[in-house]
Amino acid sequence: QVQLQQWGTGLLKPSETLSLTCAVYGGSFRGYYWSWIRQPPGKGLGWIGEINHTGTTNYNPSLESRVTISVDTSNKQIFLRMSFVTAADTAVYYCTRTPITGNTVNVFDIWGQGTLVTVSS
Amino acid sequence: ETVLTQSPGTLSLSPGQRATLSCRASQSVSSTSLAWYRQKPGQPPRLLIYGASSRATGIPDRFSGSGSGTGFTLTISRLEPEDFAVYYCQHYGNSLFTFGPGTRVDIK
Repeated sequence: QVQLQQWGTGLLKPSETLSLTCAVYGGSFRGYYWSWIRQPPGKGLGWIGEINHTGTTNYNPSLESRVTISVDTSNKQIFLRMSFVTAADTAVYYCTRTPITGNTVNVFDIWGQGTLVTVSS
Repeated sequence: ETVLTQSPGTLSLSPGQRATLSCRASQSVSSTSLAWYRQKPGQPPRLLIYGASSRATGIPDRFSGSGSGTGFTLTISRLEPEDFAVYYCQHYGNSLFTFGPGTRVDIK
């Protein structure tokens, strides 16, 4: 059974850089896009960007200037870096999986447990 | 960018009742790229429906999806206690994923 385990710094000051890691356990790394999605407290979901095993990325244009998503295929890990954070970046950040082929393309079929990141001075 | 709106914002119902949730797109979208998720408090969302009408693995048949073009519906035929949660629709198009604002189903 595929599991996504996430970790990273939970408390940041404004202007610092957010760094999160997502590790894939129990399944293939190839054949999927891996996305980061965030959810501010009490609010809805927002897609940040995605990457596949070759390092091909797609970003939400609203965040692209501050976000870098990278991958370590040998260790089946995905990384999120977001620079110059503000209080508006306070959210639960989720790592997710999107199949590239099959019936469930373009949906998020597996989710990590989420990591709360708080930005406060 | 396709904007998704969901209605109602909150639906107050009793266990055993039928729930009908709406998702409208700002422009016509492909049914193959429309999905629904349920999010219980303190948990990540869970995929319910993909391709507008196909149930994801392990999803009971009380959940059904329908619609095309700009209007899509998620129906829960008989609400179980675990169904009182927030539901999101999601679309993929032009290399961008978007979510609706969500519908909360709470206990009346």
